[in-house]
Amino acid sequence: NAGVTQTPKFQVLKTGQSMTLQCAQDMNHEYMSWYRQDPGMGLRLIHYSVGAGITDQGEVPNGYNVSRSTTEDFPLRLLSAAPSQTSVYFCASSYYGVSPYNEQFFGPGTRLTVL
Amino acid sequence: DAKTTQPNSMESNEEEPVHLPCNHSTISGTDYIHWYRQLPSQGPEYVIHGLTSNVNNRMASLAIAEDRKSSTLILHRATLRDAAVYYCILRGGADGLTFGKGTHLIIQP
Repeated sequence: NAGVTQTPKFQVLKTGQSMTLQCAQDMNHEYMSWYRQDPGMGLRLIHYSVGAGITDQGEVPNGYNVSRSTTEDFPLRLLSAAPSQTSVYFCASSYYGVSPYNEQFFGPGTRLTVL
Repeated sequence: DAKTTQPNSMESNEEEPVHLPCNHSTISGTDYIHWYRQLPSQGPEYVIHGLTSNVNNRMASLAIAEDRKSSTLILHRATLRDAAVYYCILRGGADGLTFGKGTHLIIQP
């Protein structure tokens, strides 16, 4: 298994540009989520999904869109990039089943810089 | 999710046990205690989780106080590879993990 994969690893955008961060997992996990991590801080939840067709907002959803058309993929879209969105973005997935408390598997991250 | 309090940093020697404390005095009865760690330039990695009883796995042990207001992550024999930021997280629902700043663990050779 490749686990959780994220592309690209690095990205530089100009203010106002849009882009999509890709996340895929091959573990057939129902639960997927996106976090951002600013320097010296813990991770903050952006959006999450408990299955295909179902998404919900986390702590810091403004400026980001998500969709979940398949179990495997959970892309994160930046609508109009701003310097405040400069951060490292992590995608995570977990088996959901009857419990939401299962181990989450994290991807390697995408380092985004907005100029 | 209820809040946790951890020391900013701790230092230990290689091959010695490490006890990482976490206070969570406002924990609710349905909150699970999770521990993750993050090695430099990597995504977080699951370590262990528990509800009331002490838990052991191949990576660590989790000791939970009887009143559940505190817990301790125990690394039985630290190696240089255990140098990381360790996060203690309470999880009571499906909306994700709430990360604090964690404890920066430094391992001296």
